[in-house]
Amino acid sequence: KQEVTQIPAALSVPEGENLVLNCSFTDSAIYNLQWFRQDPGKGLTSLLLIQSSQREQTSGRLNASLDKSSGRSTLYIAASQPGDSATYLCAVRPRRIGETSGSRLTFGEGTQLTVNP
Amino acid sequence: SAVISQKPSRDICQRGTSLTIQCQVDSQVTMMFWYRQQPGQSLTLIATANQGSEATYESGFVIDKFPISRPNLTFSTLTVSNMSPEDSSIYLCSVAAGDGPQHFGDGTRLSIL
Repeated sequence: KQEVTQIPAALSVPEGENLVLNCSFTDSAIYNLQWFRQDPGKGLTSLLLIQSSQREQTSGRLNASLDKSSGRSTLYIAASQPGDSATYLCAVRPRRIGETSGSRLTFGEGTQLTVNP
Repeated sequence: SAVISQKPSRDICQRGTSLTIQCQVDSQVTMMFWYRQQPGQSLTLIATANQGSEATYESGFVIDKFPISRPNLTFSTLTVSNMSPEDSSIYLCSVAAGDGPQHFGDGTRLSIL
């Protein structure tokens, strides 16, 4: 059974700092990995999707890497801002959507990030 | 990416009643899912909503408690039946297709008194 762990559970940093959020998964046979952001009381916003054949994806100040063989992904946030404060979730998918019934996402517990002005 | 609208955004309900949550997507999507997020926890998949057929439920979730409809490729409903305080959660609709990312609505925050 796939298990996803995120470390740290909470992180507080001053504005402007570069930071790394970690995600590990127990079964390396994944199809893709997705990073999300969740603001309090809100739904999830997709940040980055990395296919299993890719090593990294970048969007603005965000960079996500994937090392499938070691079961790890990192989300790097450059020059953090107070508006980055949110919970960050990673999720892995074992198979392509729709191919089989076993294609559901497995989520980590999230990292709650606070960026202080 | 698809725009997902959920209604209601929040509700406070009495024990023993039922509530139907609607999910509308602005484009046809292959897969629609319903998740639950209990306070302070991550997301748990309730079921996959299948167009024109019965939903596929995850272990621990049953149709009598969480009946789901999906009459077409842009709309689905989730009903939370015979509610108890343990059902107080955020319920989220999600869509996905093929190799693309999965997207979520803003969720329905449900409180049971």
